Amino acid sequence: DAGVTQSPTHLIKTRGQQVTLRCSPKSGHDTVSWYQQALGQGPQFIFQYYEEEERQRGNFPDRFSGHQFPNYSSELNVNALLLGDSALYLCASSFGGWGTDTQYFGPGTRLTVL
Amino acid sequence: QQQVKQSPQSLIVQKGGISIINCAYENTAFDYFPWYQQFPGKGPALLIAIRPDVSEKKEGRFTISFNKSAKQFSLHIMDSQPGDSATYFCAASLAGGTSYGKLTFGQGTILTVHP
Repeated sequence: DAGVTQSPTHLIKTRGQQVTLRCSPKSGHDTVSWYQQALGQGPQFIFQYYEEEERQRGNFPDRFSGHQFPNYSSELNVNALLLGDSALYLCASSFGGWGTDTQYFGPGTRLTVL
Repeated sequence: QQQVKQSPQSLIVQKGGISIINCAYENTAFDYFPWYQQFPGKGPALLIAIRPDVSEKKEGRFTISFNKSAKQFSLHIMDSQPGDSATYFCAASLAGGTSYGKLTFGQGTILTVHP
């Protein structure tokens, strides 16, 4: 049973560019959440997708957008990259039913903005 | 009100000792409290989780103690091993509504277990 997978593993971009990160959830999961983890910090919630819609959003600007596909996989897009966007981007999957909170994280994508 | 405060920032324990990490929260609507373990270059892995209706939960060498009135919870690692050396995060989430499933994390504790 494959766990949560993310691609690419590492990415280097320059300021002003755009980036797309990808996530495939754990088998049987239908909900995908994205988190940003700065070096030495705890993960910060970006947004969550369920049934191909953004269900809730954290305190991140509109430069951060996402999408969920019918197969439950998801993309995170960041436009107009800033140096401060350099971080580990984590995807977590879960089952969207009420009362099920367990989220399983992928290995992350390390984004470096130069 | 959405913060989760974690302490200590770092912890050094001898092999076989007990590691204790503490977290405090403000929002009484939180109802799910997981602990995650993260190794360098990896994503966080769920260790153990608790809900407010119990005061303690044990899984192997890992125990969560929960104090609802004090709005605090802690992770105890018994018989700590060098392989336990990692960063530990506490987290909390709400029961439902618009914030359902959103995990709020503490700042993390770097645990080092010396052989």
